[in-house]
Parts: sequence; C-alpha cells; structure tokens
Amino acid sequence: DAGITQSPRYKITETGRQVTLMCHQTWSHSYMFWYRQDLGHGLRLIYYSAAADITDKGEVPDGYVVSRSKTENFPLTLESATRSQTSVYFCASSEFLRGLAGGNEQFFGPGTRLTVL
Amino acid sequence: QQPVQSPQAVILREGEDAVINCSSSKALYSVHWYRQKHGEAPVFLMILLKGGEQKGHDKISASFNEKKQQSSLYLTASQLSYSGTYFCGTSLADFGNEKLTFGTGTRLTIIP
Repeated sequence: DAGITQSPRYKITETGRQVTLMCHQTWSHSYMFWYRQDLGHGLRLIYYSAAADITDKGEVPDGYVVSRSKTENFPLTLESATRSQTSVYFCASSEFLRGLAGGNEQFFGPGTRLTVL
Repeated sequence: QQPVQSPQAVILREGEDAVINCSSSKALYSVHWYRQKHGEAPVFLMILLKGGEQKGHDKISASFNEKKQQSSLYLTASQLSYSGTYFCGTSLADFGNEKLTFGTGTRLTIIP
C-alpha cells in the first residue's frame, strides 16, 4: 500500500514490558518523525530522523529509542513501558526538496493507540 | 518552545467566520497549519514561509506576520466539514531541518 502506515493500531501492554511501534512509508521521504499526542499537550516530538542512520531527539525523548537502518522504516521502542507513556503515537514523514527549514508538509500515519497498564 | 494558539476552543454556526491565531516568542522560518478530525490523523492545510505571505485553500486562508512572529488562520463561511482541531506547527529560523513544534490546538465546532 502506498503512503505511510503504522502497526499495530492498538496495543495494550503492562508496565515494564518492551514495546515496539512500527512505521513504514513508501515515498522514500528523507525525514521521518515520531509524535505523541495527549490531551492538553497537542503533538509533541519524540524523535526524528533526517535520513537512514541519522536520528535526533525531540522534545520528549526520555524512555524511547529509535533506529532507522532503512529509509522507509522508523520503529519506535519503549524499552520499559510506564503508565505515563499511555498515549496516541503518530509517525510522520516529509521530503526535503527545497532545502529550507520547515518548507515541506508532513504526512501523518493513522496512529497507534497505546495503553500501558 | 511551543507556540501559543488562541482561542483554545470555538463554537460557530454554519456560515460564520473564525480566526485562529498562533504566536511564537522566537523568530520563525515557517508556519504549518493542520486539521485533525476526531480519531484521525492530522491533515496538512498549508505552509507559510517568512516574508509575510498569505495563502488560501478553498475558503480557508492564512497569513504570517514576521514582525509579530504570529500566524492567523481564517475560515470564512464555515461548513460543517470544518469541524475539528486545528494545529499550527512552527519551524525556527535557526534550524536547518524539517523539525516542527506544534501548538496545543484549537478545537473548532460547527453547528447547523
């Protein structure tokens, strides 16, 4: 399927468990992002990647790990899930055609609703 | 630093106009606007780059005041389909990448 997909769409886990959320895009976009969305906070950036093997922290990176060995995939891992990580997680991608900061729209995946008990 | 959006919520009757503001305390390079319907992903509306340009998208338009570091989204003759939460995302002038910082959103409800 063309576009950007996330899996799973829903996940329930327990405190202390490791969880990996998957993100896959078919456009070969350079940039990929992980956001979490919580009531009252909007979208907060967790990690982002400018290209394969290049990742950097966003606003709320603690407790999360990312990797990007291939351009199309950008998995997000919660190494030891906590209740405060209960949230809706969105993956997004964008191209870097213009070479200018923030000049390209971001395409969002459908989201993963994660509940940590 | 997160941009500030106002108002936080607004209820309009179909056909009325709305203005949503997005302000930053830092110099901005660009402002993005997205709309998110309940249970769905955010969807891109438009980008404004520094220079004070104004853009339009159907009956939705936006402006960017570089001096004030503020962008406004204008929705004219609102339709039921305009309901949703609107987010602005900002890119700082001193960053050379695509990273955005989003505001907390403005919930727009259109009633018949």
